[in-house]
Amino acid sequence: AQSVTQLGSHVSVSEGALVLLRCNYSSSVPPYLFWYVQYPNQGLQLLLKYTTGATLVKGINGFEAEFKKSETSFHLTKPSAHMSDAAEYFCAVSFPGGSYIPTFGRGTSLIVHP
Amino acid sequence: DVKVTQSSRYLVKRTGEKVFLECVQDMDHENMFWYRQDPGLGLRLIYFSYDVKMKEKGDIPEGYSVSREKKERFSLILESASTNQTSMYLCASSLTILTVTLSYNEQFFGPGTRLTVL
Repeated sequence: AQSVTQLGSHVSVSEGALVLLRCNYSSSVPPYLFWYVQYPNQGLQLLLKYTTGATLVKGINGFEAEFKKSETSFHLTKPSAHMSDAAEYFCAVSFPGGSYIPTFGRGTSLIVHP
Repeated sequence: DVKVTQSSRYLVKRTGEKVFLECVQDMDHENMFWYRQDPGLGLRLIYFSYDVKMKEKGDIPEGYSVSREKKERFSLILESASTNQTSMYLCASSLTILTVTLSYNEQFFGPGTRLTVL
């Protein structure tokens, strides 16, 4: 069965520091991969997605993620954190030939210190 | 821009009450979803619908039902609310992207309804 794991329920960084949020999946076929962000008291918003082609994907607000098939990973990064990046981040995965409905990770809360 | 709206941002109900949560999308998407979100558990799928009057159970359908009489509207019903249904409820809609080489859903979420059952 497909699954997705987000390592670390909370990640704390200083403003200006590198942001790294980890996502690993289990699958025998190449997946479709998504990162969503949820700001306080709001719904989820798509940050970026990988479906095919270039494995380094750029999203909104300066975030990017790289699909690494050999590591079954899709980690989210941003070179320099802003206070406004504080939010909950969700990784999601779906698979070709499946039900098309994404499976979500449990989320990682990003805390940004001044 | 796709817009998904939910009827209430906050709702307080009593145990045993019948509760209706409404969701409306304005982009003619065929698929609609209801999730609940709890701390540490992420998003769990309750029900989804891929067409008018069609519904499918998700991972945690017990205690819930749904209705989709019009394409743009998807309702979640708690027949007899219980305290363990206190949660954030998120509605989403999506198109299914189907080409020769691709097949996936890209979901768009509403702002959520925070339901408290006393």
